[in-house]
Amino acid sequence: EADIYQTPRYLVIGTGKKITLECSQTMGHDKMYWYQQDPGMELHLIHYSYGVNSTEKGDLSSESTVSRIRTEHFPLTLESARPSHTSQYLCASSESIQGNTEAFFGQGTRLTVV
Amino acid sequence: SQQGEEDPQALSIQEGENATMNCSYKTSINNLQWYRQNSGRGLVHLILIRSNEREKHSGRLRVTLDTSKKSSSLLITASRAADTASYFCATAPTDNWGKLQFGAGTQVVVTP
Repeated sequence: EADIYQTPRYLVIGTGKKITLECSQTMGHDKMYWYQQDPGMELHLIHYSYGVNSTEKGDLSSESTVSRIRTEHFPLTLESARPSHTSQYLCASSESIQGNTEAFFGQGTRLTVV
Repeated sequence: SQQGEEDPQALSIQEGENATMNCSYKTSINNLQWYRQNSGRGLVHLILIRSNEREKHSGRLRVTLDTSKKSSSLLITASRAADTASYFCATAPTDNWGKLQFGAGTQVVVTP
């Protein structure tokens, strides 16, 4: 059982609202990731982090921002939600051993912006 | 664009049959990983094969890696209805090993 948690699981929110999706892991992993996935579609890497105070943008351009102030916490923020942000957001973490380790995923946050 | 691409996009088989799916990638890698996703939930790691390995087994799973062709295959033998899921390959380039990227996935349906 992976010790990585995402909250909330489901969120329905109005256009223009600011939202923060939470992701926490208790495994002490340095690397963390955020992916965006539409139903039945591929995962798009939107942000990743090598450790505290490290954040990088992924391949998919995203209006979201992330922060990594603590090892265990990697929240994702949308300053002004829009219907185009409706999607599932998956958080993951892995150990920092030159990439040769598996990633553990949270259960995801399904976001709907109305 | 994503690092890996799966083929086929979808696969429908009966219980007891084998399921084979392929993954192609674009850059040099340290390893290639396969994951499984049930009904849009979080992904679960299945197997990791390093760039210096050619084949790896785990239970009913067999993975091959051909770095010269930049491709990998996942074989599920004697499939069960519980194997119904989407399967994804994932890679990270050697010059940016923190950037773990996934392909589009193969949707596998196993009917009793």
